[in-house]
Amino acid sequence: AQSVTQLDSQVPVFEEAPVELRCNYSSSVSVYLFWYVQYPNQGLQLLLKYLSGSTLVKGINGFEAEFNKSQTSFHLRKPSVHISDTAEYFCAVRGYQGGKLIFGQGTELSVKP
Amino acid sequence: GAGVSQSPRYKVAKRGQDVALRCDPISGHVSLFWYQQALGQGPEFLTYFQNEAQLDKSGLPSDRFFAERPEGSVSTLKIQRTQQEDSAVYLCASSTTGQGEAFFGQGTRLTVV
Repeated sequence: AQSVTQLDSQVPVFEEAPVELRCNYSSSVSVYLFWYVQYPNQGLQLLLKYLSGSTLVKGINGFEAEFNKSQTSFHLRKPSVHISDTAEYFCAVRGYQGGKLIFGQGTELSVKP
Repeated sequence: GAGVSQSPRYKVAKRGQDVALRCDPISGHVSLFWYQQALGQGPEFLTYFQNEAQLDKSGLPSDRFFAERPEGSVSTLKIQRTQQEDSAVYLCASSTTGQGEAFFGQGTRLTVV
C-alpha cells in the first residue's frame, strides 16, 4: 500500500520570497514521484517528476524538487515565487508497474504582493 | 484532440437522479483513468482502463458507480441514484501507456442537491 502526506495544508508567502512545500510518502515497493499544480477550476498539470537518476529534479515554472530516499521525502522548492504561482499543489506517487496515482491532500500556496 | 476533454463541465443533479459524465482522451492514448476530488481534498482513484478493458475498479465507492470504454476511446462514468456525498469534481486522465505521463482534463463538477 502507498500513501502520501503533505505536511502543510496552506502556505502563505510574499512575492519574490523562497518557498518549500513538503511531501512525505510511504510505500512497500519502489515508486515514482510527481508534483502537480491545479489552478482554480482547472485540471492538474505536471510540474515535475522523479523516475531515476539525479535526486534533484527540475520542472516547469522554475520549480525543483529533491528526492530523499532515506527520509522518504520529495519536497518542492522555488527560490523566488510570483503572484501567478498561487494555486493548489499536489504530491503523488505511482508504482513502477504503472497504473493509478496516489495523491496527497494538497497544499494551497498563496503568494501575496 | 489537443487535450483531454470532459463534458459537461458542471452538472447539478437532484438526489436520486442518474448522471453520465463523458471523457474524451487524447487521441491514441491507451490508458484512461477516473479520479474523484472532493472539496479541499486530493484526487482519489476510481478506475482504470487499458483500451476497452477495465483493469482496475477498486476505487469505485459503491455499486452505484459504473464506468465503460466500449471502443477503447471515449469513456463514460455513470452514477446511479446520486447521493449528496457524490458531490465532487470528477477528473479524467489519459496516457500513452499505463506507465506514461498522465494528462488531465478540466474535470466535471457534480453538485447533488
